[in-house]
Amino acid sequence: DIVMTQTPLSLSVTPGQPASISCKSSQSLLHSDGKTYLYWYLQKPGQSPQLLIYEVSSRFSGVPDRFSGSGSGTDFTLKISRVEAEDVGVYYCMQGIHLPPTFGGGTKVEIK
Amino acid sequence: QVQLQESGPGLVKPSQTLSLTCTVSGGSISSGSYYWSWIRQPAGKGLEWIGRIYTSGSTNYNPSLKSRVTISVDTSKNQFSLKLSSVTAADTAVYYCARGKIAAPGPYYFDYWGQGTLVTVSS
Repeated sequence: DIVMTQTPLSLSVTPGQPASISCKSSQSLLHSDGKTYLYWYLQKPGQSPQLLIYEVSSRFSGVPDRFSGSGSGTDFTLKISRVEAEDVGVYYCMQGIHLPPTFGGGTKVEIK
Repeated sequence: QVQLQESGPGLVKPSQTLSLTCTVSGGSISSGSYYWSWIRQPAGKGLEWIGRIYTSGSTNYNPSLKSRVTISVDTSKNQFSLKLSSVTAADTAVYYCARGKIAAPGPYYFDYWGQGTLVTVSS
């Protein structure tokens, strides 16, 4: 299985300040079709995960533009340009290139 | 917008079979662009993919659970189901159903999730 490793484990952010989460995969997520199959999810407290970013950098429908994704190969980053109170929760990266799909361990974001 | 809703017993005895159903609304489960999937999350822990089914009935399971898992689909009811046999306390978790969008031949990801249902394994 592909191992997904996220850092940091937790993040405490002042509203309006930026935040950054790193995700590394044990194998390249670059497919032969030229696309990279890395995804970001946010699980808000008491809710199911919701898709934020697909294929490294594309925002899912309705996701605010303060969320952005970048990276290639095995190293990826999720950035929140200005954290808002509604952004609290646990962020997960996920690889979708090979079965089984695997998730990172999660990064908990809270507001200072 | 598609919605998914899990249903089933919240308490299962050790060694018995866990059975859950996911009802899909707002879209047809027979759409050819999706795999219908199950994922679980033990309390305070991360997410584990259990398996998936295509509308044709073709399935894939996580090797770690493969010997105990069966996923089936009922297109007439717009539902798909999970059975996990010989459960132990380690199977206690929130179980999610999700729609898996086929991104390309091979890769896929989850674009919509159910709210999840807690299943506790205890005598």
